[in-house]
Amino acid sequence: DADVTQTPRNRITKTGKRIMLECSQTKGHDRMYWYRQDPGLGLRLIYYSFDVKDINKGEISDGYSVSRQAQAKFSLSLESAIPNQTALYFCATSGGSGRMYNEQFFGPGTRLTVL
Amino acid sequence: SQKIEQNSEALNIQEGKTATLTCNYTNYSPAYLQWYRQDPGRGPVFLLLIRENEKEKRKERLKVTFDTTLKQSLFHITASQPADSATYLCALISGGYQKVTFGTGTKLQVIP
Repeated sequence: DADVTQTPRNRITKTGKRIMLECSQTKGHDRMYWYRQDPGLGLRLIYYSFDVKDINKGEISDGYSVSRQAQAKFSLSLESAIPNQTALYFCATSGGSGRMYNEQFFGPGTRLTVL
Repeated sequence: SQKIEQNSEALNIQEGKTATLTCNYTNYSPAYLQWYRQDPGRGPVFLLLIRENEKEKRKERLKVTFDTTLKQSLFHITASQPADSATYLCALISGGYQKVTFGTGTKLQVIP
């Protein structure tokens, strides 16, 4: 079984709809991240969480919210989806304490299309 | 503003040759630098980490250099194979705020 899983893998939705992307991990890591990837822009950090009680905004958090339901689960919500949120979304985890330079383990990605 | 540049054009190289990919940065003082591999439709996979006080790091056929004066990292794959074909991303991590920033990646194609 994959260490980091994301659901759904693909989603097509309409403008204004609320969407939730889910991420689960079995690596036992405290740290979890949400990124989006767009052609020519690379991976950009949306939110990150160092533990269940610690949530931080990344560089492009506007229009997104997150919930860390448990150590192993981190979900990303788009409250009212808009077309420019069409992208490939990745969840990632990392271990260690107090060190963001630890390697990140990425999920398989969710391809989201907002019409 | 902080900027990370990786060659956006694909790099085509003959099998068996050494592939060299470049990661340049400006207005940034990273404490660490990572390289990842990403295959189409999949998440990035970590390859190597190098610290600011390290000049070079090796792992099997991979070698990374980190020149903080030139603000550049070079990523080398020796004896390249078609299976090395993928997009390679560099990621810079600042020491103070522990912020991780990824480059846009360079696509490598190894031709048999």
